[in-house]
Amino acid sequence: GAVVSQHPSRVICKSGTSVKIECRSLDFQATTMFWYRQFPKKSLMLMATSNEGSKATYEQGVEKDKFLINHASLTLSTLTVTSAHPEDSSFYICSAMAVNFATNEKLFFGSGTQLSVL
Amino acid sequence: SQQGEEDPQALSIQEGENATMNCSYKTSINNLQWYRQNSGRGLVHLILIRSNEREKHSGRLRVTLDTSKKSSSLLITASRAADTASYFCATVREGGGNKLTFGTGTQLKVEL
Repeated sequence: GAVVSQHPSRVICKSGTSVKIECRSLDFQATTMFWYRQFPKKSLMLMATSNEGSKATYEQGVEKDKFLINHASLTLSTLTVTSAHPEDSSFYICSAMAVNFATNEKLFFGSGTQLSVL
Repeated sequence: SQQGEEDPQALSIQEGENATMNCSYKTSINNLQWYRQNSGRGLVHLILIRSNEREKHSGRLRVTLDTSKKSSSLLITASRAADTASYFCATVREGGGNKLTFGTGTQLKVEL
């Protein structure tokens, strides 16, 4: 099956620093990638939709200047948490939709990144 | 919020028993999907059921969909300890593009 690699799996950083999370589709091309945030024992909340070659679409309430998304190629999207603060600590997950999949078909998920901001 | 709700929030059963999880959602949908998440990991797609389907099977999984009640159920038969995980339903809203809206999840624990 299709593989999505997310890196790093865990990061601890100081307050005020920026953290970049990468999401790569390893064996397929992904025109669209999604970024989610998940709090402990809670559901996934969609943050933004990332389309290759264009600006990301952010969900209501998500600060686009805080969570920078870049989708520069068909296999890579990055999420940068800028000037991270303790309240940004969370589990971040990406997912990718393959080019050759029909619309609205299943997504492939990365393994997630646990961000802890001290 | 368009987020669906699942019940129960937590379920503990013995190995060999069946586990049933329910999902309710709020809008008209194109399809409904069930995902599994092991603790601290990403999600794994289990099964997809389209809005014009009522029941679907995959191995030990059985999914039903009742669009009139805006609800779905996931049945895992003959559960195993390895089935211990969180299970989420997710819907693709009619006309909502490819965005998935996740339910609140059910934490399943299968004990030996």
